[in-house]
Formats: sequence, structure tokens, C-alpha cells
Amino acid sequence: KQEVTQIPAALSVPEGENLVLNCSFTDSAIYNLQWFRQDPGKGLTSLLLIQSSQREQTSGRLNASLDKSSGRSTLYIAASQPGDSATYLCATQGRETSGSRLTFGEGTQLTVNP
Amino acid sequence: GAGVSQTPSNKVTEKGKYVELRCDPISGHTALYWYRQSLGQGPEFLIYFQGTGAADDSGLPNDRFFAVRPEGSVSTLKIQRTERGDSAVYLCASSFAGGPYEQYFGPGTRLTVT
Repeated sequence: KQEVTQIPAALSVPEGENLVLNCSFTDSAIYNLQWFRQDPGKGLTSLLLIQSSQREQTSGRLNASLDKSSGRSTLYIAASQPGDSATYLCATQGRETSGSRLTFGEGTQLTVNP
Repeated sequence: GAGVSQTPSNKVTEKGKYVELRCDPISGHTALYWYRQSLGQGPEFLIYFQGTGAADDSGLPNDRFFAVRPEGSVSTLKIQRTERGDSAVYLCASSFAGGPYEQYFGPGTRLTVT
């Protein structure tokens, strides 16, 4: 059974700082890994999706990497802004079950202070 | 086009009552997923539909939970004899098909059992 872990659980940084969020998973038999953003009381917004054959994906100030063999992914946020404050979730889409459910970590709660 | 919609956005019910939560997927998406997110946790898989049939219901916590998708579009998650522990945000997602396709999430229904 896939297990996804995110470290740290919470992070507070001053505006402008570059930061890294970590995600690890136990089963490397995945189709892809996805990073989501969740604002308080809201649904999930997809940020980046990395296919299992890819090493990284970039969107604006965000860069996500994937090392499937070691079961790790990182989300790099450059020049953080107060508007980046949210909970960030990573999820793997597995090959082990029909339909390929997503297995989520517990999230990292990010606060960017002005 | 329209995204995934869920109704109601909030539902407060008394312990022991029956509730129905509705999900309207993106038009043309054959796969539909339900997840449950407790406070401070990542979403957890409940059930996956491919067309009208439940292809994987292994995430349903017990037999008080049931879901249908009679015409292969709208889905209803039904909870009988609600308990306080059922309080959570129920998220619905749809994708083009089961398998390695991106899942698009609705805004969720926040269920509170008093």
C-alpha cells in the first residue's frame, strides 16, 4: 500500500525567500506525481504534474522534481510571496489499483510573511 | 468549460440522520472519484466509478456509506445514520478515463455532524 509523507508539516518564511517542500513515497510503481495547492476552506488547485518518465516540471516560480527510484519529490518555490501562503499537497497516482486513485500526503502548511 | 461542481457546499446535520452529497463532473469524463478530507489531513480515497459502475469501492469506511452514478454522469454519495466522526470535507474529482489521466477536483462539500 502506497504511503506518502510530506516534510515539514508547517513552514513560515519571510517574503522573498526561496524554499523547498519535500514529499516521499514508498511504492515507486506510479503513473505520475502531482502537487496541489489548497487555500483554507477551498478545494484543490493543481500546480504541477510530473509523469513517471520525467525528472521535473516548471511553471513560473514553481519547479517540481521527481526521483522515482528513491521515492522522492521536491517542490521549489522561488522568491516567495504572501499570496503563496496555503497548504501544499503532493499525491501519487498509482498503478496498483484500478482507476489509479490518488494517494495524498498530509500537506505542508506554508506561511509567507510580508 | 465548466469544472466539477458539488452541492451543497456546506451541510450540517444531526447525528443519526441521512445525507446525500452530489457531484457533477466535467462533461465527457467517464471516471469519477470521491475522496474525504478530515481536518489537517490529506484527502483519502473512497470510491471510483468508471461509467455507471463502481470499479473500486475499497475506500468506503463501512456499510453506512454508499454511492451511485446511475447514468454515468452525476454521482451521489449517500451516508446513513451519520456519526460525528463523518464530519469532513467530501471532495469529488473527475478525469477523462480511469488510469493515468489528470483528475480535476470540485470545491468540496463540508459536512458537519452535530
